Amino acid sequence: ETGVTQSPTHLIKTRGQQVTLRCSSQSGHNTVSWYQQALGQGPQFIFQYYREEENGRGNFPPRFSGLQFPNYSSELNVNALELDDSALYLCASRPNLGLAGEGSSYNEQFFGPGTRLTVL
Amino acid sequence: GESVGLHLPTLSVQEGDNSIINCAYSNSASDYFIWYKQESGKGPQFIIDIRSNMDKRQGQRVTVLLNKTVKHLSLQIAATQPGDSAVYFCAENIPRKAAGNKLTFGGGTRVLVKP
Repeated sequence: ETGVTQSPTHLIKTRGQQVTLRCSSQSGHNTVSWYQQALGQGPQFIFQYYREEENGRGNFPPRFSGLQFPNYSSELNVNALELDDSALYLCASRPNLGLAGEGSSYNEQFFGPGTRLTVL
Repeated sequence: GESVGLHLPTLSVQEGDNSIINCAYSNSASDYFIWYKQESGKGPQFIIDIRSNMDKRQGQRVTVLLNKTVKHLSLQIAATQPGDSAVYFCAENIPRKAAGNKLTFGGGTRVLVKP
């Protein structure tokens, strides 16, 4: 287990609805990234939050938005859901700069188990 | 459980044999590369990474080779075990001015270990 938790585990919505997914990062991790993984494909970067601010975004429309809270937990919000939004949504956190333990990699991100979103 | 890779290329390997998984990347500016393992119903798990100024790095039972000339990355797993059955993804990081990692993942390879 990575210590990164996500909720809910599964969710079913209909087209046009809005959804909020949640992520609790591992203790001490101040950087959180969100990814979308369609069935049979690799994860695609949505955006990243560092100290409560978005500091990088992938090729996703503005209806994908997010938040990071002072305790470094995070939310992903998707408005006006489309059928193609059906996917596994993954949250990943990374250790604070300079605090990676001996033997760990600066580049290591810890992924949660994901939320499976189905849009009907 | 979660079905991660319905239509992924599949590598079948006998238990105890070595596995080699290949990956082609696209951006010559990528500064490091990571291999992830994803089991059904779980998120990707970090295996090993390598910086672009290296051509080989070894971990426990795993070796990553990087060939920047042809933009090719491989993961070698020694003495493959049933627990190695999973989908494996390579990912590349393109450096950005702001802090943090934005990873671009490849399409993945399913490894099936036969007893």
